[in-house]
Amino acid sequence: DTAVSQTPKYLVTQMGNDKSIKCEQNLGHDTMYWYKQDSKKFLKIMFSYNNKELIINETVPNRFSPKSPDKAHLNLHINSLELGDSAVYFCASSQAGGSTEAFFGQGTRLTVV
Amino acid sequence: AQSVTQLGSHVSVSEGALVLLRCNYSSSVPPYLFWYVQYPNQGLQLLLKYTSAATLVKGINGFEAEFKKSETSFHLTKPSAHMSDAAEYFCAVSADNQGGKLIFGQGTELSVKP
Repeated sequence: DTAVSQTPKYLVTQMGNDKSIKCEQNLGHDTMYWYKQDSKKFLKIMFSYNNKELIINETVPNRFSPKSPDKAHLNLHINSLELGDSAVYFCASSQAGGSTEAFFGQGTRLTVV
Repeated sequence: AQSVTQLGSHVSVSEGALVLLRCNYSSSVPPYLFWYVQYPNQGLQLLLKYTSAATLVKGINGFEAEFKKSETSFHLTKPSAHMSDAAEYFCAVSADNQGGKLIFGQGTELSVKP
């Protein structure tokens, strides 16, 4: 049973399109995150949700909109895709609190052409 | 504010040799520190974490790390490298007032030569 699962694993799309990435966790965690890993493998947080409430929004362009229908799901919708959005996007979840381990999904490799 | 610096973007060792991956952190509040490993085309997996209990932390796959507050370091070591240890390693810092946010270092790619 996969703890944190993302779909799709690969996504190739043209500039200007709108796309969504889905994430689900079966760990019973209260907090979910989206991280972006760039071409140099640098990881940076984008958003976090706690019990469906947005907690962290790290100055991400408005074209990115997370949605959490319930605490087990956190989806990422991206409008008007740009070349610079090409990256690997990771979903993660954890219990609340800074000392708790985050569990990561396998990642979604987004390529904008 | 918090930050993490990993010294050396690439480290190469021979199989059976000591592995040492360096991590220094900066934090204005008591930190929690983590090492994650990423194998190619996979997500991140926790190796070990420091959460203000023992300063010497043992993790999976024979890895350990020591929290040294005076040096603001949390270096990762393994006595004897295996070929299967080849991967990207990330050091990360968090704190109680950060909503669970992890701040990552730049990553260190470990290569293991036969």
